Amino acid sequence: RKEVEQDPGPFNVPEGATVAFNCTYSNSASQSFFWYRQDCRKEPKLLMSVYSSGNEDGRFTAQLNRASQYISLLIRDSKLSDSATYLCVVYNTNAGKSTFGDGTTLTVKP
Amino acid sequence: GAGVSQSPSNKVTEKGKDVELRCDPISGHTALYWYRQRLGQGLEFLIYFQGNSAPDKSGLPSDRFSAERTGESVSTLTIQRTQQEDSAVYLCASSLVSTGAEAFFGQGTRLTVV
Repeated sequence: RKEVEQDPGPFNVPEGATVAFNCTYSNSASQSFFWYRQDCRKEPKLLMSVYSSGNEDGRFTAQLNRASQYISLLIRDSKLSDSATYLCVVYNTNAGKSTFGDGTTLTVKP
Repeated sequence: GAGVSQSPSNKVTEKGKDVELRCDPISGHTALYWYRQRLGQGLEFLIYFQGNSAPDKSGLPSDRFSAERTGESVSTLTIQRTQQEDSAVYLCASSLVSTGAEAFFGQGTRLTVV
């Protein structure tokens, strides 16, 4: 089993739709969580951190469920520019290392 | 520079040749990662350096792959006797090691083995 697993996708949604991605992690010692975005032929970049209480940044909401060991990303009112691959990242403080999921591809269509 | 720098940005090599890829991390970042990403695929972890600790080499796919890092500075990834399946983008990332460390990526080296 992979340490970090994501919905394989792809997700194809119309503009304005709400879409949610889930990510599960296997190491309960994991301490920090992030969502990264990777555009086609570009390097991944941080989208947002995920806090225990959940956090929101505009149309994006991230949530963490430690008991079930998953994190989620919700995108409301999807835009064409949201089309990208979204990577779930889990940081283990004990190991001092981040582990990336394989990513979920989102395509927003007009 | 302000970001992670990788060189070369593109490399075409003949099968069987050795290649060396370079990564300059952000100054002060003690952690450094190498990943491989094949076309249309996710990130494949290769190796992780953290300060003076022994590197985590668990992701290296074969003994043709090796990497070095001098202190907390430049890292080089070497692929010996390249094969066509080595063709991919090789990404380097660096971060501060602290709770909630964000990893910053370079733009990658696109390796094509012909």
